[in-house]
Amino acid sequence: DAKTTQPPSMDCAEGRAANLPCNHSTISGNEYVYWYRQIHSQGPQYIIHGLKNNETNEMASLIITEDRKSSTLILPHATLRDTAVYYCIVYGQNFVFGPGTRLSVLP
Amino acid sequence: GAVVSQHPSWVICKSGTSVKIECRSLDFQATTMFWYRQFPKQSLMLMATSNEGSKATYEQGVEKDKFLINHASLTLSTLTVTSAHPEDSSFYICSASRQGGQETQYFGPGTRLLVL
Repeated sequence: DAKTTQPPSMDCAEGRAANLPCNHSTISGNEYVYWYRQIHSQGPQYIIHGLKNNETNEMASLIITEDRKSSTLILPHATLRDTAVYYCIVYGQNFVFGPGTRLSVLP
Repeated sequence: GAVVSQHPSWVICKSGTSVKIECRSLDFQATTMFWYRQFPKQSLMLMATSNEGSKATYEQGVEKDKFLINHASLTLSTLTVTSAHPEDSSFYICSASRQGGQETQYFGPGTRLLVL
């Protein structure tokens, strides 16, 4: 499973877009990029996933670079409830959770 | 859709006793279920993968005789922590996917175990 690298923490003002980066330079051609988030003391929540194309759903947008070596999760209008740890996972055989990015949305 | 539940959400037990945790997929059939463990301020660590009707596959370092996993139906998997000790105190989280491979995993809310 390819390793991912994320910044340990980020702050974002409420109402602004939160852009969370992830590097996955060793990703293989058939591995998907998944994003989950975990709010304190809860199970991870699925956000979005993609292979090559950019994806958008009701929660977020996922931008994957053309070489697939990095991606960005975009929360278009962050709210206080979006404060959580965000995990970027490259899904080969297993979900391997790294330390993630702790996003703090500030009022 | 894709809701996974766990029961109990909290359990406190005495050292030496066994504890069973249930994981259910409520609105879909889960061919594959996963069990994770999360210690405070750490990330999730995969313990084992189970496919319905077959034996679970355990990750390196996870004792299969201590953490018994049963996946008897397409909607239920159980994890039994046998002869629990204080070091087994942790947050146990299950996930389920419709199929194996690279299918999306949907996570339960977790079970917090405290062994006294």
